[in-house]
Amino acid sequence: NAGVMQNPRHLVRRRGQEARLRCSPMKGHSHVYWYRQLPEEGLKFMVYLQKENIIDESGMPKERFSAEFPKEGPSILRIQQVVRGDSAAYFCASSPQAGQSSGNTIYFGEGSWLTVV
Amino acid sequence: AQSVAQPEDQVNVAEGNPLTVKCTYSVSGNPYLFWYVQYPNRGLQFLLKYITGDNLVKGSYGFEAEFNKSQTSFHLKKPSALVSDSALYFCAADTGTASKLTFGTGTRLQVTL
Repeated sequence: NAGVMQNPRHLVRRRGQEARLRCSPMKGHSHVYWYRQLPEEGLKFMVYLQKENIIDESGMPKERFSAEFPKEGPSILRIQQVVRGDSAAYFCASSPQAGQSSGNTIYFGEGSWLTVV
Repeated sequence: AQSVAQPEDQVNVAEGNPLTVKCTYSVSGNPYLFWYVQYPNRGLQFLLKYITGDNLVKGSYGFEAEFNKSQTSFHLKKPSALVSDSALYFCAADTGTASKLTFGTGTRLQVTL
């Protein structure tokens, strides 16, 4: 039973380029979360999605960032016109039901490390 | 707004000694509390959680945590530390009203021989 799969694991982009990070949740999980970890900091919530729906995007920057979780395929976190401050580890997580609302554990992927040069 | 505090950036322990990694929280409503461990360049691994019931929660790899409502704490403990326990530990909280975790800043545990 594969865990949460993220790719690429490492991504280097020049300033102004686009970054696309992909996440396939654990089998049987229909809830996906994206978190960002800046160097030497804890994880910060970005967005929570179910299939074809954004449930909570309160942690997403207002510009350049978007996320989707289509009916078919992985969830995508897209960062347009990247800047150096976007350099971070981006973690995807999934759960079978709505996160912690019923005490459900969310399981994290290995992360995607974005470096903007 | 909810918050999680891990007052120690680093904890140093000798192998075989007991360890404690501290966590306090501030949430409205009943808290759901979690501990995760992160090894270098890896994702977070779930260790244990408190939802309700017994205040002492047992988790993976011999770790346990004690929920203390009056002190709003959820300290992580292990009776006998191993060198392989050296990693970054994160405490997290959620009130169950929104499906997102609030994380502490992490505590680096260093276990030496």
